[in-house]
Amino acid sequence: AQSVSQHNHHVILSEAASLELGCNYSYGGTVNLFWYVQYPGQHLQLLLKYFSGDPLVKGIKGFEAEFIKSKFSFNLRKPSVQWSDTAEYFCAVNPTDSWGKFQFGAGTQVVVTP
Amino acid sequence: GAGVSQTPSNKVTEKGKYVELRCDPISGHTALYWYRQSLGQGPEFLIYFQGTGAADDSGLPNDRFFAVRPEGSVSTLKIQRTERGDSAVYLCASSPGRTPHTDTQYFGPGTRLTVL
Repeated sequence: AQSVSQHNHHVILSEAASLELGCNYSYGGTVNLFWYVQYPGQHLQLLLKYFSGDPLVKGIKGFEAEFIKSKFSFNLRKPSVQWSDTAEYFCAVNPTDSWGKFQFGAGTQVVVTP
Repeated sequence: GAGVSQTPSNKVTEKGKYVELRCDPISGHTALYWYRQSLGQGPEFLIYFQGTGAADDSGLPNDRFFAVRPEGSVSTLKIQRTERGDSAVYLCASSPGRTPHTDTQYFGPGTRLTVL
């Protein structure tokens, strides 16, 4: 069965620190990859997505992610976090042969301290 | 413009009762998704509509769960004979639907269902 793994469930870091959140998936075919974010009290919203082309994808608010096909990974990064990046981050995978079926990871709660 | 709305925001029911959860997608979005999110977990796919039809209902856990979208806009998720294990936040999302693989999904605020 396909799965999406987010290795860190909870991350605490200080402002200006660098952030990297891991996401690995198990699926042998072609996939589209997404990172969604949920800020406190808000709805889930898209940070960035990858479906083809340059494996380094840039999203909103200075986030980027790199797709490494050989490692089945799609890690999220931000060089310098701000307090406002405190949120829960979800990786999601959509196999291209499952038209509308998306699988989400369990999420990583990120807390940025001032 | 208006986003995805879900009603009610909270629903408390007793074991064995029937509940309906409503989702109003963004106007013009043909794709609509239902997810269930339990505490400490990510959203779990339940069903995906393209227009009025359920294009993929493989995530519905059993036959107590059913969803409809009769006119291709509003959708209702129906749960019969609720069980305590059904307690979760039920999320709805919509997307334009032209390319579901790569469309951005727009999520609603969710309905928190508690089964006593």
